[in-house]
Amino acid sequence: DVKVTQSSRYLVKRTGEKVFLECVQDMDHENMFWYRQDPGLGLRLIYFSYDVKMKEKGDIPEGYSVSREKKERFSLILESASTNQTSMYLCASSPDRGQPQHFGDGTRLSIL
Amino acid sequence: AQSVTQLDSQVPVFEEAPVELRCNYSSSVSVYLFWYVQYPNQGLQLLLKYLSGSTLVKGINGFEAEFNKSQTSFHLRKPSVHISDTAEYFCAVSALSGNTPLVFGKGTRLSVIA
Repeated sequence: DVKVTQSSRYLVKRTGEKVFLECVQDMDHENMFWYRQDPGLGLRLIYFSYDVKMKEKGDIPEGYSVSREKKERFSLILESASTNQTSMYLCASSPDRGQPQHFGDGTRLSIL
Repeated sequence: AQSVTQLDSQVPVFEEAPVELRCNYSSSVSVYLFWYVQYPNQGLQLLLKYLSGSTLVKGINGFEAEFNKSQTSFHLRKPSVHISDTAEYFCAVSALSGNTPLVFGKGTRLSVIA
């Protein structure tokens, strides 16, 4: 079974902090994705990556950046956290474009 | 570009009753279609997928969905629900080709009442 592991289930940070959310997958998948999930808005794509050192903006990239130095790891960075970034963050991976994505359990991030 | 509309944000249903969760999509090209389920405090889990072939797709936990190309729909059904089916369900679409990731609907919260 594919395992997508997010480093924290719950995280509390202060406004202005630089926040790192880590995601690791163990199935050598090419593609990795970061979403945020908010009530009534579903999943919104922040950034995705189809290869190492490559990244593409999703629908809501503002205030975020990503890093993919190794194939198995995809990091989401909040450069200067703000309260409107309080949300559930979900990481996913897939073996090929358009194929089913496998999700981690999510990180519930609170910015105070 | 693709888009997905889940027509109901919440669906309450009594235990052992049938349920249908509706999903319509929009795309100018051929697509793959997916249904995911999210239980409380968990990530999304794939229920079923339509890639090609038979338009009736069977998934896990007794769910099935039917791809209707003329109506651009992919509705999810279960003939008899259990309390444990209470969760949020997401429909998703992606293009067969091109550099586009999955596009998700906003979700339908299924509440099964004892």
